[in-house]
Amino acid sequence: EVQLVESGGGLVQPGGSLRLSCAASDFSFSSHWMGWVRQAPGEGLEWVAHINQDGTEKYYMDSVKGRFTISRDNADNSLFLEMNSLRGEDTAVYYCTRVGSVGRKYDLWGQGALVTVSS
Amino acid sequence: DIQMTQSPSSLSAYVGDRVTITCRAGQDLNRFLTWYQQKPGKAPNILIYAESTLESGVPSRFSGSRSGTDFTLTISSLQPEDIATYYCQQSHSLPWTFGQGTKVEVK
Repeated sequence: EVQLVESGGGLVQPGGSLRLSCAASDFSFSSHWMGWVRQAPGEGLEWVAHINQDGTEKYYMDSVKGRFTISRDNADNSLFLEMNSLRGEDTAVYYCTRVGSVGRKYDLWGQGALVTVSS
Repeated sequence: DIQMTQSPSSLSAYVGDRVTITCRAGQDLNRFLTWYQQKPGKAPNILIYAESTLESGVPSRFSGSRSGTDFTLTISSLQPEDIATYYCQQSHSLPWTFGQGTKVEVK
């Protein structure tokens, strides 16, 4: 089944770190740009980061630059988001997303991983 | 950043009604406009990309159009399973920005 499955979410204290993983199945992972999108409780969607097919291009939203790192392992069909210096405003469900081959669209989403930053 | 202004924030309609949701972009998007549907407690799901192209498997009652920098998602005949929040998103330039969402309810 073509799917994305996130893991690694949880409760972390302000200033702490967390690493999200996303396992891709049944598609050519190395052929796609990948990204992370987040959604704070009761709020809308917010783009977080993108990475190109071979990991040489990475882009971040301003508020996470220098704190978050997106990476990928094409041999293992996995996407990662390393999150450091976490803040309360980072509390959200984080979705792993696949950028479609045509149309600059998110054509596949994971089920989401909840990250809660609280003392 | 390109601002996406979506309206209305919520609406309620009867089954069978025609429903329209609008997104106004802060600049020309060169057709890079996508619509998503998010059902409660679920991840978003793509409906339409390139402003008017229906994603494979999406019912034909959904359609997209554009007039200048105003984009419209239309549900031609609202069904009970269409209860969801709908988001537009521009992918013309980073950061890819979303509209605020429109919550659709059935009367």
